Amino acid sequence: ETGVTQSPTHLIKTRGQQVTLRCSSQSGHNTVSWYQQALGQGPQFIFQYYREEENGRGNFPPRFSGLQFPNYSSELNVNALELDDSALYLCASSFSGVLTDTQYFGPGTRLTVL
Amino acid sequence: QKEVEQNSGPLSVPEGAIASLNCTYSDRGSQSFFWYRQYSGKSPELIMSIYSNGDKEDGRFTAQLNKASQYVSLLIRDSQPSDSATYLCAVNPTNAGKSTFGDGTTLTVKP
Repeated sequence: ETGVTQSPTHLIKTRGQQVTLRCSSQSGHNTVSWYQQALGQGPQFIFQYYREEENGRGNFPPRFSGLQFPNYSSELNVNALELDDSALYLCASSFSGVLTDTQYFGPGTRLTVL
Repeated sequence: QKEVEQNSGPLSVPEGAIASLNCTYSDRGSQSFFWYRQYSGKSPELIMSIYSNGDKEDGRFTAQLNKASQYVSLLIRDSQPSDSATYLCAVNPTNAGKSTFGDGTTLTVKP
């Protein structure tokens, strides 16, 4: 167990809807990163939040957005869902420091878009 | 060319054998390197991190890094059926925590 929690575990939505996924980081960590993992592929970096600000973004459209709260928990919001958004969404927490960028993953949220 | 490439596998070894997993990366500025294990339907679990050239050992696992060749590997000694999983190689640039992952190598250890 990493101490990183995510909710919900599973979610089914229809195309065009909006979804919010939540993540609580491990105690002592100040950075949260979100990843999308399609079946048979490695996780793809969506964005990272540090001190409540977006701190880097991968190749994802603006309909993917996020927030980080003062307690370092985070949300991932996806608008106008598309079928290709079906994936495992992973939250990873870490402590940003010199050579201490090890990430610990939560259990993930499985999103199915119909 | 992908930024992080792994042997596509699947890789099958008998119980007790050494499993060798390989990974190459394209960004010469990469600073941190990680191996994760992912069981089917589960999230990635950190096995090893390595930052300097050479070998790093932790129990049955040894990570090897060669920055000049842009190559990182994971050796699993005395492989067990419980080691059967997909192994993901992750590489971080100078910025913390923004990992680029390979697509993983699926390992099966046969009793």
